[in-house]
Amino acid sequence: SQQGEEDPQALSIQEGENATMNCSYKTSINNLQWYRQNSGRGLVHLILIRSNEREKHSGRLRVTLDTSKKSSSLLITASRAADTASYFCATLNSGNTPLVFGKGTRLSVIA
Amino acid sequence: EPEVTQTPSHQVTQMGQEVILRCVPISNHLYFYWYRQILGQKVEFLVSFYNNEISEKSEIFDDQFSVERPDGSNFTLKIRSTKLEDSAMYFCASSSGQGNTGELFFGEGSRLTVL
Repeated sequence: SQQGEEDPQALSIQEGENATMNCSYKTSINNLQWYRQNSGRGLVHLILIRSNEREKHSGRLRVTLDTSKKSSSLLITASRAADTASYFCATLNSGNTPLVFGKGTRLSVIA
Repeated sequence: EPEVTQTPSHQVTQMGQEVILRCVPISNHLYFYWYRQILGQKVEFLVSFYNNEISEKSEIFDDQFSVERPDGSNFTLKIRSTKLEDSAMYFCASSSGQGNTGELFFGEGSRLTVL
């Protein structure tokens, strides 16, 4: 399975600290995406990184991709209480296959 | 901003009953998906739909499930005879015609409770 697996399962930090979440996957990918889900809500796309990219930034988000290790990390800098949510990585391989989600990391940011 | 809308937001049904979950994808999108999420668990792929036919489906998407795009705007998921284990959040998603490589836009989900 190419399913991404996030690590840690849960993370609790103080407001203002940085949060780092990791994702590992098993097969070659076309791209890797990170999504956010507030409790009981739909998933919201955060950022997409292609297999030929190593790092991408979007506001307070920084994503890295290491295809040799089949891993990615999502860094949220200067976290806020509103960042409290579950974060999922999702992988798309080079065939016409659907996006496959990991189990997610539950982030709690304490004010 | 365009969005994916889903109805109903919550449906309670008796085991064995048929359920239809409805979705209106973003209007210029060409790829449509259903995912489900059992409470507190991972988001699982059910089916993808392109050019008026199923392009991929998972093992979960058995003969009890079907999808339809009846009128060019709605995208429906039907569960013919619900089971207790079908209780979950069902998410519809769509993506643009730029190829199946971009981001998915998700609706807020339909919570299905089977009693």
